[in-house]
Amino acid sequence: DADVTQTPRNRITKTGKRIMLECSQTKGHDRMYWYRQDPGLGLQLIYYSFDVKDINKGEISDGYSVSRQAQAKFSLSLESAIPNQTALYFCATSGTGFPDTQYFGPGTRLTVL
Amino acid sequence: AQSVSQHNHHVILSEAASLELGCNYSYGGTVNLFWYVQYPGQHLQLLLKYFSGDPLVKGIKGFEAEFIKSKFSFNLRKPSVQWSDTAEYFCAVDSGAGSYQLTFGKGTKLSVIP
Repeated sequence: DADVTQTPRNRITKTGKRIMLECSQTKGHDRMYWYRQDPGLGLQLIYYSFDVKDINKGEISDGYSVSRQAQAKFSLSLESAIPNQTALYFCATSGTGFPDTQYFGPGTRLTVL
Repeated sequence: AQSVSQHNHHVILSEAASLELGCNYSYGGTVNLFWYVQYPGQHLQLLLKYFSGDPLVKGIKGFEAEFIKSKFSFNLRKPSVQWSDTAEYFCAVDSGAGSYQLTFGKGTKLSVIP
């Protein structure tokens, strides 16, 4: 059973549409993260959350927003999608230990036309 | 801001060849270091990590990495690669300053030819 799940796994949308990507985890972790992966660029951090009331911007947060609905759920929204947001999006979680390891979900492939 | 450099974008090896993938980081303080692997079409999986102690760390599937503080390096090695090692490999660094954020390198794609 997957500890970190993401929905949808694939999505094609049009420019200007609002999109929400969802992440759920059963690891009991407090910390959750959203990354995007572009070919040749590695992973870049969009937002991270240390608990339900603590949300922080990462290095590339412009054009994105997040919601931490519960300890186990962390959603990423694109308010008005644009083509250069076409990418693979990963959710990750980690525990409260320091240091700790991040565990990744399967990813959502988003295409904005 | 710290950065992570992976020297090779694409490495092609024959089965049984030895592998070394380079990783250098820019942060001068305490760091925590990771290697992740991404098999085709799959999510990132942890190969190994270094937090403290013995600078030579062993991970899954016969991989190991050596932390050399003076060189700001954390190179990944495997003595004999297999076709199933074909994947993309990412080095990542947590600055250890309480940020809990990982900075990733751009990745090295490894292709192993049978």
